[in-house]
Amino acid sequence: EAGVTQSPTHLIKTRGQQATLRCSPISGHTSVYWYQQALGLGLQFLLWYDEGEERNRGNFPPRFSGRQFPNYSSELNVNALELEDSALYLCASSPPNNEQFFGPGTRLTVL
Amino acid sequence: GESVGLHLPTLSVQEGDNSIINCAYSNSASDYFIWYKQESGKGPQFIIDIRSNMDKRQGQRVTVLLNKTVKHLSLQIAATQPGDSAVYFCAEIYAGNMLTFGGGTRLMVKP
Repeated sequence: EAGVTQSPTHLIKTRGQQATLRCSPISGHTSVYWYQQALGLGLQFLLWYDEGEERNRGNFPPRFSGRQFPNYSSELNVNALELEDSALYLCASSPPNNEQFFGPGTRLTVL
Repeated sequence: GESVGLHLPTLSVQEGDNSIINCAYSNSASDYFIWYKQESGKGPQFIIDIRSNMDKRQGQRVTVLLNKTVKHLSLQIAATQPGDSAVYFCAEIYAGNMLTFGGGTRLMVKP
């Protein structure tokens, strides 16, 4: 069974640009979660989507947004990029029993 | 590979010894806890979980202990192997499916 996949693996942007990160969950998982893992810090919860709707969001500004498509894949959009947005962005998916399976992440570098 | 964090506490153990990794969680209302292992360049991988109505759970070579009185979680790894070298995160779940992660501990196994 294929795991959670994320694209791209690496993304380099400049300040003020927009970044779009993509995630495909494990087949059958309806929930997708996004986390930010900045260097030197732990994982910070960003967003939770389930059945196409945003269920919860972490303590991040509105320029972090996303959506979940009918096939349960998801996009994370970061507008007006700032240097401190440079981080590893992890996507996880889960079935209803709460165990989350993580993808390999997208490394975003903002110059 | 990816660097998970530069300032993580580090536990260094000899191959074959037992390892104990500790974590303090923040919310007394959390009802589900998970330990994740993150190897360089990869997303976090589920190791073991425990519900708040339990104080101990054992897996293969791993044991999780939960002390709700002091909001403390520990992961014990028996007969630590070089392949156990990674960063270990504890996570708590409350408010639905939102995971909140601890800062992580880097385990280094010396051959």
